[in-house]
Amino acid sequence: EAGVVQSPRYKIIEKKQPVAFWCNPISGHNTLYWYLQNLGQGPELLIRYENEEAVDDSQLPKDRFSAERLKGVDSTLKIQPAELGDSAVYLCASSLGTGGAKTGELFFGEGSRLTVL
Amino acid sequence: GDSVTQMEGPVTLSEEAFLTINCTYTATGYPSLFWYVQYPGEGLQLLLKATKADDKGSNKGFEATYRKETTSFHLEKGSVQVSDSAVYFCALRGSTLGRLYFGRGTQLTVWP
Repeated sequence: EAGVVQSPRYKIIEKKQPVAFWCNPISGHNTLYWYLQNLGQGPELLIRYENEEAVDDSQLPKDRFSAERLKGVDSTLKIQPAELGDSAVYLCASSLGTGGAKTGELFFGEGSRLTVL
Repeated sequence: GDSVTQMEGPVTLSEEAFLTINCTYTATGYPSLFWYVQYPGEGLQLLLKATKADDKGSNKGFEATYRKETTSFHLEKGSVQVSDSAVYFCALRGSTLGRLYFGRGTQLTVWP
């Protein structure tokens, strides 16, 4: 069974440019998460979807970050414009229903490493 | 607010040595506690969990006991192997919308 797939794995851009990350969760997982991981830190939640609905997005900086999950499957996280401080790893995770959120068993992708120059 | 404090690394051990990685937490209510592991080139994966006080989670020879009196969830393994080399993250599921809060991670390197 395929795991959580993210792309691109690496992205280097100049500041003020836009960037987008894509995530395909495990088949059947209706809960999808985007996390931010700064160097030497643990993951921090940006947004959580239950199907198409963003049920927890209070930590998403909405002035430059946006996310969508059309049809309740794949998701895209966008940054526009990117700033130097956005250099980090962006992790996508999924879980099986709301039960996964309650049990804490999330399945993570390998992440997308962003470098902003 | 809810948070996790994890011992800083890196931790370097010889094969068959005893491992302890300390984790303490701050939370309202009764959180669930977790250890996640990230092997080189892979995504984070759940290693073990405990959902109430005095529960012991175990997997792959690793153990951690939920200690409410000391607000701790230390990870232990009696005899580490080279294949255990990875980054270990302590986490708690808090009361705010069921969010997971992660510690900063501890890099473990095991030498043969």
